[in-house]
Amino acid sequence: GQQVMQIPQYQHVQEGEDFTTYCNSSTTLSNIQWYKQRPGGHPVFLIQLVKSGEVKKQKRLTFQFGEAKKNSSLHITATQTTDVGTYFCAGRTAGNKLTFGGGTRVLVKP
Amino acid sequence: DSGVTQTPKHLITATGQRVTLRCSPRSGDLSVYWYQQSLDQGLQFLIHYYNGEERAKGNILERFSAQQFPDLHSELNLSSLELGDSALYFCASSPRTGANTEAFFGQGTRLTVV
Repeated sequence: GQQVMQIPQYQHVQEGEDFTTYCNSSTTLSNIQWYKQRPGGHPVFLIQLVKSGEVKKQKRLTFQFGEAKKNSSLHITATQTTDVGTYFCAGRTAGNKLTFGGGTRVLVKP
Repeated sequence: DSGVTQTPKHLITATGQRVTLRCSPRSGDLSVYWYQQSLDQGLQFLIHYYNGEERAKGNILERFSAQQFPDLHSELNLSSLELGDSALYFCASSPRTGANTEAFFGQGTRLTVV
């Protein structure tokens, strides 16, 4: 079945530094979504990418969808303590099943 | 507040028991998804309902079942509970079943099996 993998599983970042988390699907995706789950909270939708090669920005967050629509990345610049949480990518296939990756847990060192 | 309501928020029960988790989707949302999140793990897709009909099934155990009622609320039934079933169970809803729809998550039900 479809698998969505995320790396790294954990990301320790010094406040002010940049980092990137990657998402890879075993199958071609209709779209990819990114969610953020704060500690003790529930996943909250961040963004959706639909087109091959699409790039979207939200302030310090840059999301990219691969040309083959099988991978995606999230790049955060100038990390802040408010960025703490787990970032999930979720890939949707033609069967409309939304499969989540294992998440990247981000810890920020002040 | 996502508009998705899950009850109860916490549930402690013994092995072998049966529990029912309830989810009320956002007003007007026809799709309901159930996910299981074990400690420090990702979100495991369990099942998807759209307007009362089952649309997709993930790695849902035979001991688990779900349904979506005419008023669109959904219930997840977990039976013959085992210690390993302890997890956070999330319900999410979306307006329709099309490809370009985001999912709105409830606060989750934390199930502890002792």
